[in-house]
Amino acid sequence: NAGVTQTPKFQVLKTGQSMTLQCAQDMNHEYMSWYRQDPGMGLRLIHYSVGAGITDQGEVPNGYNVSRSTTEDFPLRLLSAAPSQTSVYFCASSATGRGSNQPQHFGDGTRLSIL
Amino acid sequence: GEDVEQSLFLSVREGDSSVINCTYTDSSSTYLYWYKQEPGAGLQLLTYIFSNMDMKQDQRLTVLLNKKDKHLSLRIADTQTGDSAIYFCAERQSGGYQKVTFGIGTKLQVIP
Repeated sequence: NAGVTQTPKFQVLKTGQSMTLQCAQDMNHEYMSWYRQDPGMGLRLIHYSVGAGITDQGEVPNGYNVSRSTTEDFPLRLLSAAPSQTSVYFCASSATGRGSNQPQHFGDGTRLSIL
Repeated sequence: GEDVEQSLFLSVREGDSSVINCTYTDSSSTYLYWYKQEPGAGLQLLTYIFSNMDMKQDQRLTVLLNKKDKHLSLRIADTQTGDSAIYFCAERQSGGYQKVTFGIGTKLQVIP
């Protein structure tokens, strides 16, 4: 089972460049999220989506855009990369519906370095 | 607002029990989770507990929840070197998006 697939796994960018981190899930999950993981800070929510066509900001949305045109895909765009965006980025998805444990399923991460 | 706190580091000897602690602030939490992250990998769900439960056991893992004190613990019996990883506590809120808040993670080092 593929689960949550993130591409690329590694990327190095120069300051000011733009790029898109891809995330796809094959579990028909409505909820999808993007987190960044930095040393000593745990996971911080960047943006999330509760279904196709619906997105909202998390804790640290500045410098990032998202869209959700399909249930499966939730790309994260860096508009103009800055060194402060050097991090490991995780995409996660979860099912909706009450009465279930609704755990989040995580991708393996994208390790991004901004020079 | 919601907050989840964990200690940063725990070291145990192989074969001993490990206890990783977590405190949270949101009394409306529905589910509380423990995730494991091995080096270079994503987060893997280990176990979870519903907020109306006190304890859950799953093989070597025991989760204890003290809802009054908002304290959650994960006990790993007979800790093995393969248990060395970062362990994240997380809570899911009730209502709306049911946002999940993570702690900063506890790094477990198992000494052979």
